[in-house]
Amino acid sequence: GAGVSQTPSNKVTEKGKYVELRCDPISGHTALYWYRQSLGQGPEFLIYFQGTGAADDSGLPNDRFFAVRPEGSVSTLKIQRTERGDSAVYLCASSRDGQETQYFGPGTRLLVL
Amino acid sequence: GQSLEQPSEVTAVEGAIVQINCTYQTSGFYGLSWYQQHDGGAPTFLSYNGLDGLEETGRFSSFLSRSDSYGYLLLQELQMKDSASYFCAADTGRRALTFGSGTRLQVQP
Repeated sequence: GAGVSQTPSNKVTEKGKYVELRCDPISGHTALYWYRQSLGQGPEFLIYFQGTGAADDSGLPNDRFFAVRPEGSVSTLKIQRTERGDSAVYLCASSRDGQETQYFGPGTRLLVL
Repeated sequence: GQSLEQPSEVTAVEGAIVQINCTYQTSGFYGLSWYQQHDGGAPTFLSYNGLDGLEETGRFSSFLSRSDSYGYLLLQELQMKDSASYFCAADTGRRALTFGSGTRLQVQP
């Protein structure tokens, strides 16, 4: 079956612009996670969805970051007024409810100029 | 706070055995996972230890000691394709994983 997919694979934007990053989880996975990974570091948790609701958004760095999952499948991470420090790889993962294994997508490489 | 410590780099030769250690300090702990990530690729799940002891999956084994807040990943019969970064990640009970900063393994011929 298909794995987790993310689009776009690369995004270059200018400081101050708005961006949307999309994640398609594995079919049937109710849990969805967003992480951010800077060069040479491990993934850093941003937000976790169980179904349509954000069960834990404690990792979002500030109110410029927002994510939705309106139908319990595809999720969109939205970043307003981008800053150069937002440049990173944004990873999405999904898992079956109750299972510890998370399956990661290839990530979106965001570069803010 | 939550922290996981692992060596930044390890070098080994093809065919050898290498051990990557991970020590953790977390406010809650349910288990330790290991992920592999090739340059430019997605993290890929390798193993999970929810209980103390050794878990074996082919050439890879993982160990956990809760009393020592310590775990390790053991890679046997190293191959060139094993050159990658390896991350330990703690399940602290909040579903999201807390990752270490990764160990870059370089396998030499």
